[in-house]
Amino acid sequence: GAGVSQSPSNKVTEKGKDVELRCDPISGHTALYWYRQSLGQGLEFLIYFQGNSAPDKSGLPSDRFSAERTGGSVSTLTIQRTQQEDSAVYLCASSSTGLAETQYFGPGTRLLVL
Amino acid sequence: DAKTTQPTSMDCAEGRAANLPCNHSTISGNEYVYWYRQIHSQGPQYIIHGLKNNETNEMASLIITEDRKSSTLILPHATLRDTAVYYCIVRVYTDKLIFGTGTRLQVFP
Repeated sequence: GAGVSQSPSNKVTEKGKDVELRCDPISGHTALYWYRQSLGQGLEFLIYFQGNSAPDKSGLPSDRFSAERTGGSVSTLTIQRTQQEDSAVYLCASSSTGLAETQYFGPGTRLLVL
Repeated sequence: DAKTTQPTSMDCAEGRAANLPCNHSTISGNEYVYWYRQIHSQGPQYIIHGLKNNETNEMASLIITEDRKSSTLILPHATLRDTAVYYCIVRVYTDKLIFGTGTRLQVFP
């Protein structure tokens, strides 16, 4: 596809369950980013990948959050033992080479933890 | 923490120019000014960025004051589809984006 895609678009889960969110960056983009946007709030940076490594994971809110990227392409954000405060829109972005380049965002995954 | 100050909300009549201000009084010499917008229920969209000189592209113009302590994003002929939250971000070219709360622009008929 031409843009960043994310799946699922919506996810409802029960407190305590694990969830996996997927991001497909723009083809050829080596840098990938995850952000979180809680209701009515601005975007919160979570983690940044350059290739398959994550030089900056400073925004992950707790050890329940983890992310990986394989083959320099698809990334998965995993939230273990979800809590209600994890409810938010999780946004993925990619850029061609790194932080210096323009980031292009996907449509987001809306997560609701009941 | 965001390094910018923007009005919470603004209105603009369709067809008129929308001028969105941003204060960044503590900007450093190597920091760029970026603008993104977020239309309801969508991911943010890049608009424009600049360092010192004014910039123009197909979407907007960016006017940066000579002392670089403030800037204005100009949408020359606003349409209803320009209704969105507009984020002004200051960052070093190789640093991550830090979003504030932005300006909610409402374009009315």
